[in-house]
Amino acid sequence: DAGVIQSPRHEVTEMGQEVTLRCKLISGHNSLFWYRQTMMRGLELLIYFNNNVPIDDSGMPEDRFSAKMPNASFSTLKIQPSEPRDSAVYFCASSLSGRNEQFFGPGTRLTVL
Amino acid sequence: KNEVEQSPQNLTAQEGEFITINCSYSVGISALHWLQQHPGGGIVSLFMLSSGKKKHGRLIATINIQEKHSSLHITASHPRDSAVYICAALNTGNQFYFGTGTSLTVIP
Repeated sequence: DAGVIQSPRHEVTEMGQEVTLRCKLISGHNSLFWYRQTMMRGLELLIYFNNNVPIDDSGMPEDRFSAKMPNASFSTLKIQPSEPRDSAVYFCASSLSGRNEQFFGPGTRLTVL
Repeated sequence: KNEVEQSPQNLTAQEGEFITINCSYSVGISALHWLQQHPGGGIVSLFMLSSGKKKHGRLIATINIQEKHSSLHITASHPRDSAVYICAALNTGNQFYFGTGTSLTVIP
C-alpha cells in the first residue's frame, strides 16, 4: 500500500486566493484526520471524519476553512479566502477506526504571501 | 495550563544512553498516543495505549492511568532516534490534546 497520499506537497499562494488540499486514505481505513502544525501552536487537530461523517470539527479555525469527504477514500480541506496566518504544514492521517493507530501523510507545506 | 505537558522540552544524549520522555495529562482519556516527527517533517505513530506497557524494538511506552502519566523509553539510543517526540491524549469525548513535543538529539 502506498500509505496516506497528500497533494500538493508544497503550495505557495497569495492572500485572498482559494487553497484546496487533498488527501487519499489508506485502503480499508474509515477514519480521517486533518491536522495543522505551526511553530507557534504545534500540532492541532482540525477535524476528523468517521465513515465519511464529520465527528469533531471544533478545531476548525473559522468559516474560511471547510473539509469534505466526497467518498470513503478521499478528502479535501479548503481555505477560502486564504490569509498569511494560515501558513503551516497540514497533515492528514487515516486509521482503521477513530481509536486505532493513525498513519500520517507526508504533509502539505502551505505558504500564504 | 495545557491539558498535556511533556518533559523535558529538549534532550541531548550520547549514543547508547537510556532515554526517558515524560507526559502528564489532566483530562480523562480513552487512549494516549506517542508520535515521532523526524527532521524531514514526517510523522509516525509509535504507540497507542490505554493501559500498561507496550514495546516495539528499542522503544517502550508505559502509562499509569491513576497518576495520569505516560513515559516513552528508548534503550541503547542511536543518532537515528533524533527526532521530536509528541504525546497526544484522546479524551473520552474524542478530542485530541497534544503536548508541545520533546526534541531529542542523540550524539554519536
